[in-house]
Amino acid sequence: EIVLTQSPGTLSLSPGERATLSCRASQSVSSGFLAWYQQKPGQAPRLLIYDTSSRATGIPDRFSGSGSGTDFTLTISRLEPEDFAVYYCQQYGNSPYTFGQGTKLEIK
Amino acid sequence: EVQLVESGGGLVQPGGSLRLSCAASGFTFKSSWMHWVRQAPGKGLVWVSRINNDGSSTTYADFVKGRFTISRDNANNTLYLQMSSLRAEDTAVYYCTRSPREGGYWGQGTLVTVSS
Repeated sequence: EIVLTQSPGTLSLSPGERATLSCRASQSVSSGFLAWYQQKPGQAPRLLIYDTSSRATGIPDRFSGSGSGTDFTLTISRLEPEDFAVYYCQQYGNSPYTFGQGTKLEIK
Repeated sequence: EVQLVESGGGLVQPGGSLRLSCAASGFTFKSSWMHWVRQAPGKGLVWVSRINNDGSSTTYADFVKGRFTISRDNANNTLYLQMSSLRAEDTAVYYCTRSPREGGYWGQGTLVTVSS
């Protein structure tokens, strides 16, 4: 099983700042099959990025994904008030299709 | 518009059974790989199971193997999760989702509570 470790656990930033979230895998993620999700309280997760760096439909271009092998990053270039939420990474290259434990992005 | 609507959750005693359904619309269901993901109260996302487009291939997380069965009815655009031998630790909101490469859409979830 591939274990995904997200860091930091909590990130405190202000609107307008740049956010960098990390997701590290215990072994290489097959074919770069890594996704990022955003979840707000009481809501279902929303897909942001798939295949490491492809934005899902309707996702603003301030969200970008990068990485390869075992190290992946979600970058939010300029934080908007609605971006403060919990973010999860998921690998779907090998079953079980594991999630990271999440990073909470909070307003500073 | 893509819609996934889960149903079938509720309160069940330990050792009991429950069948969850997910009604799909707005896309070609029979072509889509589908997943179940769960989230215990206040906790993170946990992948549970996946089924391929025609139902011929399934895979499960170790903690549900032998207890849960994923299936689908492509004629009626419905995904299922049959859950048996339920435990307190299975208490969670259960979501059905399309694979990330197919848009990654999620339903609103259905709450399963396992308690005596």
